[in-house]
Amino acid sequence: QKEVEQNSGPLSVPEGAIASLNCTYSDRGSQSFFWYRQYSGKSPELIMSIYSNGDKEDGRFTAQLNKASQYVSLLIRDSQPSDSATYLCAVNTGFQKLVFGTGTRLLVSP
Amino acid sequence: GAVVSQHPSRVICKSGTSVKIECRSLDFQATTMFWYRQFPKKSLMLMATSNEGSKATYEQGVEKDKFLINHASLTLSTLTVTSAHPEDSSFYICSARVLGRDEQFFGPGTRLTVL
Repeated sequence: QKEVEQNSGPLSVPEGAIASLNCTYSDRGSQSFFWYRQYSGKSPELIMSIYSNGDKEDGRFTAQLNKASQYVSLLIRDSQPSDSATYLCAVNTGFQKLVFGTGTRLLVSP
Repeated sequence: GAVVSQHPSRVICKSGTSVKIECRSLDFQATTMFWYRQFPKKSLMLMATSNEGSKATYEQGVEKDKFLINHASLTLSTLTVTSAHPEDSSFYICSARVLGRDEQFFGPGTRLTVL
């Protein structure tokens, strides 16, 4: 079982819709969780971090964490074509390094 | 804040040469830096974890003699690809971790092409 799992997609949504990206992780001791956005040919960019159960909102982005279910999600409201990218879920399991999922490719059509 | 730079952004070299890539944290001190490699349409692969003032910790399967990492200061880590070959052509990305926090901030990456 992979440590951090994401559906590779692509997830296609129309402009203005809500995009929902999901991630599950295997280590119950994981403490911190991150979402990165990576445009094609570019390096990852941190967009959200979440540490406790519940929702965390930042602009059009909402991260949701459920430690009991070992589940992290990212909601993007009012999706724009510029949101089209690969979204990487990353988990800190208590060591220095982050464990990354393989990413979900999001396509927002005009 | 939390800006990480990499230099060069792109390098083309002949097979057998060595290439050095620099990673700098510009506005914070990074006790830990990480080096990743990413092949086209593939996921990030962690190569090594670099701690300031100590030897890097390499991931399984990564040759430490081929990928030399030096982290001599709190703001600079370097990756040297020794005797590069075409199969080393890839996108090399560094990241830095802010002291006391878990987030990693990525540099813009270095695209290496070995002819």
